[in-house]
Amino acid sequence: DQQVKQNSPSLSVQEGRISILNCDYTNSMFDYFLWYKKYPAEGPTFLISISSIKDKNEDGRFTVFLNKSAKHLSLHIVPSQPGDSAVYFCAAKSNFGNEKLTFGTGTRLTIIP
Amino acid sequence: KAGVTQTPRYLIKTRGQQVTLSCSPISGHRSVSWYQQTPGQGLQFLFEYFSETQRNKGNFPGRFSGRQFSNSRSEMNVSTLELGDSALYLCASSVPGQGNTDTQYFGPGTRLTVL
Repeated sequence: DQQVKQNSPSLSVQEGRISILNCDYTNSMFDYFLWYKKYPAEGPTFLISISSIKDKNEDGRFTVFLNKSAKHLSLHIVPSQPGDSAVYFCAAKSNFGNEKLTFGTGTRLTIIP
Repeated sequence: KAGVTQTPRYLIKTRGQQVTLSCSPISGHRSVSWYQQTPGQGLQFLFEYFSETQRNKGNFPGRFSGRQFSNSRSEMNVSTLELGDSALYLCASSVPGQGNTDTQYFGPGTRLTVL
């Protein structure tokens, strides 16, 4: 049972435009959400997170939006840059899960110069 | 601060063998979690250790085990290797105890190939 879903395996975006990556979850106990970026042959790198008490969190070019009623979150990258090309994973935690992260299957983002 | 380190980076084993992977967390981090990444499956949680105790365990068979030492370093062991165990094994560390909002920081992973 995939509790965190990223339904788009891949996404291509023109450099300078906005990249929008989506993530859906089914477990209503999840209350903290994170986005990680992964380059080949490296471990995931933390990008941005959001607590369930908020609906938006912004850090530079990266903004995460959380819609709790729809159990949906999205990561916006604007403007997109070639170095943003990577696999993006969304992950979720519940306050009963200690440090356990439940990950989506990832979306490969390609920025076209 | 140095990041999370994992050794070895690459490993080739044959079916039936056993393997031990090592993880050194970021200095001051006391929680270490292990994940398995395979194509199409994303990252699957294996287990988490805190203060030398396993706090949480994923849905993996008993062939997968781990431990944590007093200096927070952790090892993961897989016995009787199967072809399906070929994967990237990732270790992550964090500073728990600050609520649910601790961020996990990942190492580069160990790429295990089982022949």
